[in-house]
Amino acid sequence: AQRVTQPEKLLSVFKGAPVELKCNYSYSGSPELFWYVQYSRQRLQLLLRHISRESIKGFTADLNKGETSFHLKKPFAQEEDSAMYYCALCPYNFNKFYFGSGTKLNVKP
Amino acid sequence: DTGVSQDPRHKITKRGQNVTFRCDPISEHNRLYWYRQTLGQGPEFLTYFQNEAQLEKSRLLSDRFSAERPKGSFSTLEIQRTEQGDSAMYLCASSRTGIYEQFFGPGTRLTVL
Repeated sequence: AQRVTQPEKLLSVFKGAPVELKCNYSYSGSPELFWYVQYSRQRLQLLLRHISRESIKGFTADLNKGETSFHLKKPFAQEEDSAMYYCALCPYNFNKFYFGSGTKLNVKP
Repeated sequence: DTGVSQDPRHKITKRGQNVTFRCDPISEHNRLYWYRQTLGQGPEFLTYFQNEAQLEKSRLLSDRFSAERPKGSFSTLEIQRTEQGDSAMYLCASSRTGIYEQFFGPGTRLTVL
């Protein structure tokens, strides 16, 4: 069965420090993986997806099929990065997402 | 605002009452999804429409839950005989066929007393 695990509920870092939000998944096929972000009082929005291999707002994520991980990284955190981050897996037919439980990132000044 | 909209944003009801939520997707999107999110958890898939056809339903969607999308545009989610365990944020999302990204609405927060 599909499962997405985000082991950290809360991650606090100082501004300028590196950030890594962990995501592990279980899926028998080849997954499509995403990171969604929810800023305070805003709706969920797509941050990035592994197939595009892009960097958004300085964030990157690499799919590691051997470790079944899709960790989100940023070398220098900014206060405006403070938000809830959800890792999501989409099966091949794109009919739904399986979300992790989320990690709250708090970037302190 | 041309994004996904949901109505109402908040609903407080007593146990046993019926409630109905509405979702208006982005106009050119033919796919519509409902998710439920409880405190401390990520969204959980409930059901999915392609145009007016309901193509998949989660086991989370008990017989008390029904969703419709009569003309392939807006959708409604009805919960009959609400229970306290139904208290959650109900999220709607839409997308186009073949496009990965789902666009989410602001959600409807349901509180069952």
